[in-house]
Amino acid sequence: EPEVTQTPSHQVTQMGQEVILRCVPISNHLYFYWYRQILGQKVEFLVSFYNNEISEKSEIFDDQFSVERPDGSNFTLKIRSTKLEDSAMYFCASSVSRQGNSPLHFGNGTRLTVT
Amino acid sequence: AQTVTQSQPEMSVQEAETVTLSCTYDTSESDYYLFWYKQPPSRQMILVIRQEAYKQQNATENRFSVNFQKAAKSFSLKISDSQLGDAAMYFCAYRDGGTSYGKLTFGQGTILTVHP
Repeated sequence: EPEVTQTPSHQVTQMGQEVILRCVPISNHLYFYWYRQILGQKVEFLVSFYNNEISEKSEIFDDQFSVERPDGSNFTLKIRSTKLEDSAMYFCASSVSRQGNSPLHFGNGTRLTVT
Repeated sequence: AQTVTQSQPEMSVQEAETVTLSCTYDTSESDYYLFWYKQPPSRQMILVIRQEAYKQQNATENRFSVNFQKAAKSFSLKISDSQLGDAAMYFCAYRDGGTSYGKLTFGQGTILTVHP
């Protein structure tokens, strides 16, 4: 069964550095998402992306964050200048359509540690 | 804004027994979808079951079933004949059926332990 793949599985970076988290969504999916989960807390929506533009974003997704689909297969999340509070598990997801019953398929996540 | 609440941080069950995980939600929408996701130690979020709000019949998937009470805004998950592999964090999630671009709102999660 096709899967959403995320790399790396664990990323350690120093505060103030830029990080890029990478995702390869399922090939025939058209809608892409990033979520994050701070340790011990709920999974939070960051951003949704369709037709090469952001369709919705949360308050968390401020100017330090950006997303891109650079080559038609990868979907990246960039954090420009990381803060300690950006330490979390970041999940990429994709879906075939925006219809409510079209399930999101999640990757295994990237654990980001900011020191 | 929609909210999802899971009031049980942890639950445990004996192998082969039945367990029910609770979830309540708040929304003013009439068209929406509800999901249960499982997150095992491998960290991947796996879809367990989904329910369309317009359907009165409760969804079932093998050993997993839901009790959807629309008026009470309650969506509980029942796991029958529990297996060791069911041990995981379980998240209840809500999704608008209208103009949303697929945003899921998650509950806090319930850690399920299965005892042999």
